[in-house]
Amino acid sequence: AQSVTQPDIHITVSEGASLELRCNYSYGATPYLFWYVQSPGQGLQLLLKYFSGDTLVQGIKGFEAEFKRSQSSFNLRKPSVHWSDAAEYFCAVGGTDSSYKLIFGSGTRLLVRP
Amino acid sequence: DAGVTQSPTHLIKTRGQQVTLRCSPKSGHDTVSWYQQALGQGPQFIFQYYEEEERQRGNFPDRFSGHQFPNYSSELNVNALLLGDSALYLCASRRRDYGYTFGSGTRLTVV
Repeated sequence: AQSVTQPDIHITVSEGASLELRCNYSYGATPYLFWYVQSPGQGLQLLLKYFSGDTLVQGIKGFEAEFKRSQSSFNLRKPSVHWSDAAEYFCAVGGTDSSYKLIFGSGTRLLVRP
Repeated sequence: DAGVTQSPTHLIKTRGQQVTLRCSPKSGHDTVSWYQQALGQGPQFIFQYYEEEERQRGNFPDRFSGHQFPNYSSELNVNALLLGDSALYLCASRRRDYGYTFGSGTRLTVV
């Protein structure tokens, strides 16, 4: 079955500290992978995506993610967190056919300490 | 450049009623998908429209239906509302690069 697991429901980090949000997926083939961020009451903003090629992907707002096929993981990282990064983060997987749907994880809520 | 526009932003309905939510895709996008996001959960895929036809459907009952118009805008209709239909409904559009752009959503409350 296709699924995405985000094992951390909440993560709290201090401003300026590094961040890593975990994402594991189960998919029958090589998927397209995404990270989205959602602020309270808002829609989803795409941070970055992986389709193929270099397994280290750079995104907006200083985020990056690394695709590890052997571990079925696509973890999101940021070297120095800002207070404005506090939000809900969703990992998603999509198929490679033309009518793909996105399967989302349950999200990780990031809290940033001053 | 306007992104994905959804209306209304908030809506309160009574059990058993019907509701229609609207979505205008980002300029240049021709594919629209709808997602339901219950409180504290990730979005769940409802269905996708392309060339005015439903192309793929998630695990949602027939009470959920949709439509896509020639200008690519879309509607989501839900009949016989249940309390469990209370959620944030997100519309997303894309073109060929597989990067979906999401709207801010419609918050539906069923009482």
